[in-house]
Amino acid sequence: GEDVEQSLFLSVREGDSSVINCTYTDSSSTYLYWYKQEPGAGLQLLTYIFSNMDMKQDQRLTVLLNKKDKHLSLRIADTQTGDSAIYFCAETPYSGGGADGLTFGKGTHLIIQP
Amino acid sequence: GAVVSQHPSWVICKSGTSVKIECRSLDFQATTMFWYRQFPKQSLMLMATSNEGSKATYEQGVEKDKFLINHASLTLSTLTVTSAHPEDSSFYICSASSGPFQPQHFGDGTRLSIL
Repeated sequence: GEDVEQSLFLSVREGDSSVINCTYTDSSSTYLYWYKQEPGAGLQLLTYIFSNMDMKQDQRLTVLLNKKDKHLSLRIADTQTGDSAIYFCAETPYSGGGADGLTFGKGTHLIIQP
Repeated sequence: GAVVSQHPSWVICKSGTSVKIECRSLDFQATTMFWYRQFPKQSLMLMATSNEGSKATYEQGVEKDKFLINHASLTLSTLTVTSAHPEDSSFYICSASSGPFQPQHFGDGTRLSIL
């Protein structure tokens, strides 16, 4: 079955850039997502990328996709204390998740040092 | 836009009780809704996919008689945990999508604790 892997923790200093990495195994992955989860809360959609794209930028967020290596990354520029959360990578084939469930990684806990 | 509301946010009840959780899309029509379960410090696991007006499709290992899903309208899906036991204690999160090629938007989750 599909598998999505992420490192469990990332610690960065406030103001630095954070880069959260994700690898996936499903070659039919078409849409890849980044969600943010704060303690006790649901998931907030941050951004997503279609597999025919290499990069997508949205304000402080930059997503890079290396389809050959099945590697996805999320870069957060100028990391702030409010960025402290768990970040989930997720993938789905074909229909963008609108009709198919998502396969999630275990999440990366982003820790911000003052 | 794309707000999903989930209610209640926290439930504590006795073993054997049935619990209903509601998931509503507030500002869009959700042709498909999904129910996930998340154990502490774990990822989300898809339980079932629900299309409006159709029977839900359950993932392998999820008991459909235990977790009843109803998706009677384009803005509301419900998950009923029947005869809940302590092992059903978990964080249940719903998501909704307006259709294929559209992303899923998540509710804030329901923390279910069975005593």
